Amino acid sequence: AQSVSQHNHHVILSEAASLELGCNYSYGGTVNLFWYVQYPGQHLQLLLKYFSGDPLVKGIKGFEAEFIKSKFSFNLRKPSVQWSDTAEYFCAVNAPWMDSSYKLIFGSGTRLLVRP
Amino acid sequence: DTGVSQNPRHKITKRGQNVTFRCDPISEHNRLYWYRQTLGQGPEFLTYFQNEAQLEKSRLLSDRFSAERPKGSFSTLEIQRTEQGDSAMYLCASSLGRDRVTEAFFGQGTRLTVV
Repeated sequence: AQSVSQHNHHVILSEAASLELGCNYSYGGTVNLFWYVQYPGQHLQLLLKYFSGDPLVKGIKGFEAEFIKSKFSFNLRKPSVQWSDTAEYFCAVNAPWMDSSYKLIFGSGTRLLVRP
Repeated sequence: DTGVSQNPRHKITKRGQNVTFRCDPISEHNRLYWYRQTLGQGPEFLTYFQNEAQLEKSRLLSDRFSAERPKGSFSTLEIQRTEQGDSAMYLCASSLGRDRVTEAFFGQGTRLTVV
């Protein structure tokens, strides 16, 4: 079955450390890729998205992600995290060729704790 | 302010009772989704509306669940004869689009606890 995998369930970093969160998906064909963030007590918010074009996409708050088609990956990165980045991060995929509803398939999420 | 409003924010109910949640999407968004999220998991798709038409339902959605979107505006999700396994966060999302995927905006969710 098609799925989205986020292998790091919990990540703890100190401020200014670099961040990379892994995301792999099992869909073939064209995919649209997303990273959402959920800060404590808040709703899911879009960090960045990839539809086509440059595989390195930049999002809000200094985040970026790289789409590597051959690896079925869309890893999220940030060179220097801040305490305010403490949140849960979700990777999501849409496969338009097989899904006319454009729904998102989410990974299980990664909880990031940034220590001051 | 997300623009997608969900009510109530929290609901505690006894097993066997019926519950109804409401979602008000961003105005003019034609697509509306319901997702369910349990602890330690990402949101799972439940159902999709395009305007007032319910076009897709997940196999996760048992026949105790029903959703409506009258007139293509707000939506309701009803769970009949609730079970403890229904305890979860129920998320609503909306987006505007025609023939391609677009950004989905999420509400803050309704947390259901079945006791």
